[in-house]
Amino acid sequence: DAKTTQPPSMDCAEGRAANLPCNHSTISGNEYVYWYRQIHSQGPQYIIHGLKNNETNEMASLIITEDRKSSTLILPHATLRDTAVYYCIGPPDPYSGGGADGLTFGKGTHLIIQP
Amino acid sequence: DAMVIQNPRYQVTQFGKPVTLSCSQTLNHNVMYWYQQKSSQAPKLLFHYYDKDFNNEADTPDNFQSRRPNTSFCFLDIRSPGLGDAAMYLCATSRDRGGEQYFGPGTRLTVT
Repeated sequence: DAKTTQPPSMDCAEGRAANLPCNHSTISGNEYVYWYRQIHSQGPQYIIHGLKNNETNEMASLIITEDRKSSTLILPHATLRDTAVYYCIGPPDPYSGGGADGLTFGKGTHLIIQP
Repeated sequence: DAMVIQNPRYQVTQFGKPVTLSCSQTLNHNVMYWYQQKSSQAPKLLFHYYDKDFNNEADTPDNFQSRRPNTSFCFLDIRSPGLGDAAMYLCATSRDRGGEQYFGPGTRLTVT
């Protein structure tokens, strides 16, 4: 399965762009990268996903390198409410007992937005 | 307008006393998932239903069971809760396999 590597924590000033990196060097050509975040004491929240092209939605932008070995999630104008753990998730593990459907969460990046 | 609803939000049970957590969805999604999240850890998939087809993770203890009586509802049954089962239990749905998942707020289970 394509494992992901993220820094354990990052700080960002309120109003600035938060850039969260993720390495996924073993991802294969047709596997998507998903980003979720989890605000304290809440359920995880889907943010964005991509395959090879850069993607943007109302929450964030996703920049994927041409070799697809890494990506960066960009929150363009971070607010205090963006403080959360951000998870970069590769494709599900098709060899797990449950099949290729569940999310395998890593440790994520704890993003702290400073006032 | 809540889309994935979990009840109760907080549940206290006694050691060894069976407990059931419930999840409902208004999204009409085909897939429903249960995750366990212990303190300071990432969520871990327990099992999921694709429609009525049940899929158990290889390392999910037998103590954990699930039922999905219809598209909207899914239940997590813990037959004999131990102290180590205290955790946040998260329900999620997705329209189809491999798609983005929508999570409920979770049920925090305390075992006394």
